[in-house]
Amino acid sequence: AQSVAQPEDQVNVAEGNPLTVKCTYSVSGNPYLFWYVQYPNRGLQFLLKYITGDNLVKGSYGFEAEFNKSQTSFHLKKPSALVSDSALYFCAVRDNAGGFKTIFGAGTRLFVKA
Amino acid sequence: EAGVVQSPRYKIIEKKQPVAFWCNPISGHNTLYWYRQNLGQGPELLIRYENEEAVDDSQLPKDRFSAERLKGVDSTLKIQPAELGDSAVYLCASSSGRSDGYEQYFGPGTRLTVT
Repeated sequence: AQSVAQPEDQVNVAEGNPLTVKCTYSVSGNPYLFWYVQYPNRGLQFLLKYITGDNLVKGSYGFEAEFNKSQTSFHLKKPSALVSDSALYFCAVRDNAGGFKTIFGAGTRLFVKA
Repeated sequence: EAGVVQSPRYKIIEKKQPVAFWCNPISGHNTLYWYRQNLGQGPELLIRYENEEAVDDSQLPKDRFSAERLKGVDSTLKIQPAELGDSAVYLCASSSGRSDGYEQYFGPGTRLTVT
């Protein structure tokens, strides 16, 4: 069955330090993987995606993510965190083997301390 | 480019009352999604449209929820009658499909409170 797991409810980092938000997935076919960010009282905003090709994908606001097929992971990273990065982050996977449904993880709250 | 528009932004109703949400997707986007997001959780798909056709409504509680997308553009999601457990944020999203890898663009959502 298709699923997405974000094992951490919250991630705390100091401003200027690197950050990682973890995501693992399970699909029956080749996945399309996405990260979205949600700021308070706003809808989700697309950050980046992996479709095919280079395992390291770069997105908005300096974020990047690495697709690891053997570990079925798609962790979100940023070399230097900003206080303004504090938000709720969602990993999502689209199963392209059938159904073509996009499933979202439960979300990880990122808190960046000044 | 205008984003996904939703209205109303907030709605408070008593249980057993009907409620409707409206969504206008990004121009040219053929795929439209309705999600429900409970507090502290990720969005859960209610229904997905490809143009006018509902291609995935397996998670839509059909005894009380209904949706339509006339002419393949705007969409309306209705709940009748509402229950206390329907309190959530209802998100609409759209995508253009394969050409952009199915990334979705979300509206601001409608926060429904059922009392």
